[in-house]
Amino acid sequence: LAKTTQPISMDSYEGQEVNITCSHNNIATNDYITWYQQFPSQGPRFIIQGYKTKVTNEVASLFIPADRKSSTLSLPRVSLSDTAVYYCLVGDRVKYSGAGSYQLTFGKGTKLSVIP
Amino acid sequence: DAMVIQNPRYQVTQFGKPVTLSCSQTLNHNVMYWYQQKSSQAPKLLFHYYDKDFNNEADTPDNFQSRRPNTSFCFLDIRSPGLGDAAMYLCATSRDREAGAKDTQYFGPGTRLTVL
Repeated sequence: LAKTTQPISMDSYEGQEVNITCSHNNIATNDYITWYQQFPSQGPRFIIQGYKTKVTNEVASLFIPADRKSSTLSLPRVSLSDTAVYYCLVGDRVKYSGAGSYQLTFGKGTKLSVIP
Repeated sequence: DAMVIQNPRYQVTQFGKPVTLSCSQTLNHNVMYWYQQKSSQAPKLLFHYYDKDFNNEADTPDNFQSRRPNTSFCFLDIRSPGLGDAAMYLCATSRDREAGAKDTQYFGPGTRLTVL
């Protein structure tokens, strides 16, 4: 079962770049790495997804080294509105047999606090 | 342009009184998920439907059931809510269910359940 490890919390000042690293030592060959953002009392929202190297969209960048055992979400010039919990999600081998086990498990998440 | 809608947003029930939470989607996605999220914890997958095929997670209590009468709607039934079932319940959809969790999940705003 692919497990993810992230820092529990991070603080950053407005305008700074924030990098949140997720470790996933047991990532499988066909697994993707996805990051979600969640504000209080809302459902998670997709931010970015990657398989290898670097992915960039209008919101963030995702850096994945060659061994894929970790990934780093980079948020450029954060603002107060980026204060949220960020979850790293790594796909797992999917088993569809009988009762269970899609094994889609969110990590504990990183609570990012942006300070004015 | 709400894509995943959950009703109600807040639900109060009494200990042992059955309750149903509803979710609808306008994305025409094949997969619908139900997650439970307790305070300061990550979302925990309860079960999902792939089209009409129900897939229960191995550790989901029997007290939780689900129905998907058509593509657009999915219901979460809690047969006898206990105090420990108080949580945010999140509905999510994805277009497909590829191995490696490649499919982006789209979450609803959640229903916060209080058990008195």
